[in-house]
Amino acid sequence: GAGVSQTPSNKVTEKGKYVELRCDPISGHTALYWYRQSLGQGPEFLIYFQGTGAADDSGLPNDRFFAVRPEGSVSTLKIQRTERGDSAVYLCASSFGAVQETQYFGPGTRLLVL
Amino acid sequence: GENVEQHPSTLSVQEGDSAVIKCTYSDSASNYFPWYKQELGKGPQLIIDIRSNVGEKKDQRIAVTLNKTAKHFSLHITETQPEDSAVYFCAASNQGGSYIPTFGRGTSLIVHP
Repeated sequence: GAGVSQTPSNKVTEKGKYVELRCDPISGHTALYWYRQSLGQGPEFLIYFQGTGAADDSGLPNDRFFAVRPEGSVSTLKIQRTERGDSAVYLCASSFGAVQETQYFGPGTRLLVL
Repeated sequence: GENVEQHPSTLSVQEGDSAVIKCTYSDSASNYFPWYKQELGKGPQLIIDIRSNVGEKKDQRIAVTLNKTAKHFSLHITETQPEDSAVYFCAASNQGGSYIPTFGRGTSLIVHP
């Protein structure tokens, strides 16, 4: 079946611009996670949704970052006033139920802020 | 919070050799330790995991060992093949607490044919 999909696969933007990154989880998965992966590093947790609500947003670095999942399926990560330091791969993962379940990752969106 | 250290950062082996990647963690409450394989341009894929109630788990050519006392765990790949070449990440989480995994920095495994 279809895995986690993310769009766009690559995004180049200028400093100060607004970007939206989309994640389409595996059908039926209620839990959805966003991670950020910098070059040479492991994924770093940003936010976790259970259904429509953000169950844990403790990893969001500052108030420029925001994520929504209005219908409990597709999620959008929004970054305002982008900075060069935001350049990274943004990974999305989903799991069937509670956080103890295996997480399935998407291919990521490579964001470059010039 | 949890801190996961992973070594080595790069590992080069000949096809058929074994490869070992080691990780240490700091939070004694961590009880779930997954390992991920990430190929170029793709997201991490879970290859094996271990929970703190067992010391070893094996799945064909890969195995993971856990030493709770020393707070370290290792990934063992035997009879390596060129398609094993990828970046491998270990992670640790507390499934009864914060549950969000903390990842190591990754090991780039290169298997030479």
